[in-house]
Amino acid sequence: GAVVSQHPSRVICKSGTSVKIECRSLDFQATTMFWYRQFPKKSLMLMATSNEGSKATYEQGVEKDKFLINHASLTLSTLTVTSAHPEDSSFYICSFGGLAGGEQYFGPGTRLTVT
Amino acid sequence: AQRVTQPEKLLSVFKGAPVELKCNYSYSGSPELFWYVQYSRQRLQLLLRHISRESIKGFTADLNKGETSFHLKKPFAQEEDSAMYYCALSGDNAGNMLTFGGGTRLMVKP
Repeated sequence: GAVVSQHPSRVICKSGTSVKIECRSLDFQATTMFWYRQFPKKSLMLMATSNEGSKATYEQGVEKDKFLINHASLTLSTLTVTSAHPEDSSFYICSFGGLAGGEQYFGPGTRLTVT
Repeated sequence: AQRVTQPEKLLSVFKGAPVELKCNYSYSGSPELFWYVQYSRQRLQLLLRHISRESIKGFTADLNKGETSFHLKKPFAQEEDSAMYYCALSGDNAGNMLTFGGGTRLMVKP
């Protein structure tokens, strides 16, 4: 399967600061990618879908001005959590769409802790 | 709207016992169904998809359109099967977008 990396793997930041999470596909290119949020012992919650070169499509209830997504190239996407609050603490996971419908290649996730 | 339901949050079995992880879906069109698995401290990865009709790591899943189910089965569970399992649905023209169920944690005891 394809390899997807996320950086950093974990980050601790202070309330009010911004944090950027990078998601890279290492061995393939994909036009569509996804950002998820996972709460402890809960399922994945899709935050947004982005296509390379276009604005991201956010799911209902996800603030686009707070969670900035930049899908700069076919191998790189970034999620910036702006003005982070403790309730933003979570596990953030990215994935790239595969060649086959419904197929996604997931990153290892980034654990964000806002103090 | 599409929805995926996994009624069991936790399923605990002994090694060698049969396993069935339940998944039900609601979708008006022709869905594609998947099972994704997340082992401890590892990333989520595709286990199997209904259109391939494969057996992966001894697991199989049959799409039952009449019952709108896609249960995951294995006749003899192994300890290494312990993981979080997610059923997912991709709708018509959805591309790669998936709707995930809530997940079932499978614990296989020695």
